[in-house]
Amino acid sequence: EVQLLESGGDLVQPGGSLRLACATSGFTFSGYAMAWVRQAPGKGLEWVSTIGASRGATRYADSVRGRFTISTDNSRNTVYLQMNSLRAEDTAVYFCAKDRIEGDGYFDVEYWGQGTLVTVSS
Amino acid sequence: DIQMTQSPSSLSASIGDRVTITCRASQGITNYLAWFQQKPGKAPKSLIYSASNLHNGVPSRFSGSGSGADFTLTISSLQPEDFATYFCQQYKTYPLTFGGGTRVEIK
Repeated sequence: EVQLLESGGDLVQPGGSLRLACATSGFTFSGYAMAWVRQAPGKGLEWVSTIGASRGATRYADSVRGRFTISTDNSRNTVYLQMNSLRAEDTAVYFCAKDRIEGDGYFDVEYWGQGTLVTVSS
Repeated sequence: DIQMTQSPSSLSASIGDRVTITCRASQGITNYLAWFQQKPGKAPKSLIYSASNLHNGVPSRFSGSGSGADFTLTISSLQPEDFATYFCQQYKTYPLTFGGGTRVEIK
């Protein structure tokens, strides 16, 4: 059974940093692209970042590029999102997501984690 | 960026009704279109990929159609557990973009 379990969400002040983690199980982690998607309170879904299956290619939304960094630890089957210079508009539930097809290619979500809440406020 | 426009933004329907939600892309995306269901306070659930293919375990009352820029999600006979918000998403081009959502409520 595929499982994605996010952690690391917290209340942080504007300008602060936070690292989210998504621990995975039930599939060959090193073979799949992974992504982060967020949802501000009462709003829709917003793609944040993707890391390719080969772990060499990363993509970011314009709203987070230069502030957020996606990475993985294949030995821990975990994907991370390092978030720096946080702003109030980064307040959201952050979901990690697993690609449907092994390897690099078009990324369509097959599985979602339960999400972790990040609140940026003074 | 490719804009995804869903309509309606909300609808009221009764158990057993046939429900149709549309999603339009601002440019052609072939069939790189997914649909998700989300219930309040929960993570999204993947329903459909490649515009018309159901993920494992998704009931057959759900179906998707379309290609190019216009897509449809249909629920053939609405069940109590189907009351939720539905999102479409294109994955043809980065940035990946979602529609604004359609809330399906009980009439």
